[in-house]
Amino acid sequence: QQPVQSPQAVILREGEDAVINCSSSKALYSVHWYRQKHGEAPVFLMILLKGGEQKGHDKISASFNEKKQQSSLYLTASQLSYSGTYFCGTDRNKFYFGSGTKLNVKP
Amino acid sequence: DTGVSQDPRHKITKRGQNVTFRCDPISEHNRLYWYRQTLGQGPEFLTYFQNEAQLEKSRLLSDRFSAERPKGSFSTLEIQRTEQGDSAMYLCASSLAGTSVTDTQYFGPGTRLTVL
Repeated sequence: QQPVQSPQAVILREGEDAVINCSSSKALYSVHWYRQKHGEAPVFLMILLKGGEQKGHDKISASFNEKKQQSSLYLTASQLSYSGTYFCGTDRNKFYFGSGTKLNVKP
Repeated sequence: DTGVSQDPRHKITKRGQNVTFRCDPISEHNRLYWYRQTLGQGPEFLTYFQNEAQLEKSRLLSDRFSAERPKGSFSTLEIQRTEQGDSAMYLCASSLAGTSVTDTQYFGPGTRLTVL
């Protein structure tokens, strides 16, 4: 029931783009994205509620394909502050987080 | 700052002892979640409350774990007869649930438990 994320880790240079994928074997009602920096609590990024919905703020956006039970997080022109572990989470009464994608942005 | 707070931030205990953690959610939030997180893994759902009612509990949660939210405000998580495998970060999150089941969770800083 835990969503599967890919890739497990990404190393980028500042200014490069990245895509993080999240898929589930169960029907998704919504997808949440969080970022967690080392030693800190997860911080909410965005929720996607509808099939095919896309959202974004600043240079981080996401899409949600309800039929395919998949979501993708897009990081454009990455900044050093984007470094951290990204988790997708799904909501079906119980809340399941993926195992995370570790993103390291280097100067 | 009126964010989610957790106490204590760190707890070291000996195997077999009981421990209790406290979580104070954002004041107007009616949902409260407990998670456990081990190194390199995502937060693992333990249980959640809507107001004072405990609505879901993970099957992973053994009988040694119990959580309460007696007045629909703060919550406590107790672990009895701790084992070394209980060592983890225990995270609390709160949210304001409306008519949809989906809501934004705000996390506290966590309580790091080490069982010797």
